[in-house]
Amino acid sequence: DVVLTQTPPTLSATIGQSVSISCRSSQSLLHSNGNTYLNWLLQRPGQPPQLLIYLVSRLESGVPNRFSGSGSGTDFTLKISGVEAEDLGVYYCVQSTHAPFTFGSGTKLEIK
Amino acid sequence: QVNLLQSGAALVKPGASVKLSCKASGYTFTDYYIHWVKQSHGKSLEWIGYINPNSGYTNYNEKFKSKATLTVDKSTNTAYMELSRLTSEDSATYYCTRRMGDYWGQGVMVTVSS
Repeated sequence: DVVLTQTPPTLSATIGQSVSISCRSSQSLLHSNGNTYLNWLLQRPGQPPQLLIYLVSRLESGVPNRFSGSGSGTDFTLKISGVEAEDLGVYYCVQSTHAPFTFGSGTKLEIK
Repeated sequence: QVNLLQSGAALVKPGASVKLSCKASGYTFTDYYIHWVKQSHGKSLEWIGYINPNSGYTNYNEKFKSKATLTVDKSTNTAYMELSRLTSEDSATYYCTRRMGDYWGQGVMVTVSS
């Protein structure tokens, strides 16, 4: 199974600070069809996850553009440019290139 | 608007089975796969499997192959997941999601206890 390693496990940020979360895969997530199926999710407390970024860098409709994704192959990054209070929660990367699909262990973002 | 409405919380006895539902609305049900995801308390997420609502084709995580059975009822736009031979390890919140993430149900908590 593909292992996704997220770092850091926790992140403490002030409002307006920019932060990054890393997601490293145990194997390349480039699919034979040329797509890389790596998404980023945010789970706010008591809520189901919501999609932020899909296909590495595409912003889901309705998601603020302070969120951005980048990377390729095995190394991926989610960046929040100017954290806001509503961004607190747990961020997960998830891959659906290789079955079984797998999630990272999560990064908890706390607001100072 | 797209909505996935899941059935309510369940308290079930060890060894029993439970069938969870996920009713889709706001889009053409047969156009998108439905995935099921497990979240044990305070932990990360696990992919259980998906079903193609159009054909009924399923793809399971090997870990859940003997635990979960995915079905759909196209007449009611509802996806189902049956969990069998329940143990305390199955106590968790279960989500249905469209296309592995763009829309999620609200989740249903399953508690296995005598």
